[in-house]
Amino acid sequence: EPEVTQTPSHQVTQMGQEVILRCVPISNHLYFYWYRQILGQKVEFLVSFYNNEISEKSEIFDDQFSVERPDGSNFTLKIRSTKLEDSAMYFCASRAGQAYNEQFFGPGTRLTVL
Amino acid sequence: GQNIDQPTEMTATEGAIVQINCTYQTSGFNGLFWYQQHAGEAPTFLSYNVLDGLEEKGRFSSFLSRSKGYSYLLLKELQMKDSASYLCAVSPRAGFQKLVFGTGTRLLVSP
Repeated sequence: EPEVTQTPSHQVTQMGQEVILRCVPISNHLYFYWYRQILGQKVEFLVSFYNNEISEKSEIFDDQFSVERPDGSNFTLKIRSTKLEDSAMYFCASRAGQAYNEQFFGPGTRLTVL
Repeated sequence: GQNIDQPTEMTATEGAIVQINCTYQTSGFNGLFWYQQHAGEAPTFLSYNVLDGLEEKGRFSSFLSRSKGYSYLLLKELQMKDSASYLCAVSPRAGFQKLVFGTGTRLLVSP
């Protein structure tokens, strides 16, 4: 069964460093998302991406964040200068198309900022 | 604004039935989703309701009342592996369809 994959599973970084979180969505899916979940809190929407551009972003997704689909398979989230409060689990999700509602989530990357 | 409320925690016994409620107030509505999330894992899709009524899928059913801003997830014949968090999420509008999640209900199933 196709699945969303994410690497790395766990990333530890120093405050102020840049991190890139990687995702491979399900092949042929058209809509891509990043969510985050701070430990013990709810899942929060960060950004949606369609047709090679951002379609919607939340207030959390400020200038420190960027997304990219550099080729036909990868979808990345970059945080330019990490802060302590960026520590969270980051989930990538993909959706097949307009007629399909289910978003498939990847296993997540646990980001720890020291 | 967006507000989605669920009970924080529920307990139930193996073999029993449990109902997890969700109320929502969102700026728009294009469907309500239920996801299951085991600790440290990704959310997995359980159900989707966009019209009023009951959707049944095996041991799991989900109900929606749009006029009341209310949904519930019904789990029958509970098994130990059903111990997890259950997340209610609303898609406020059609199109790119971001999901707005509630805080989740942690369900503990005991023998």
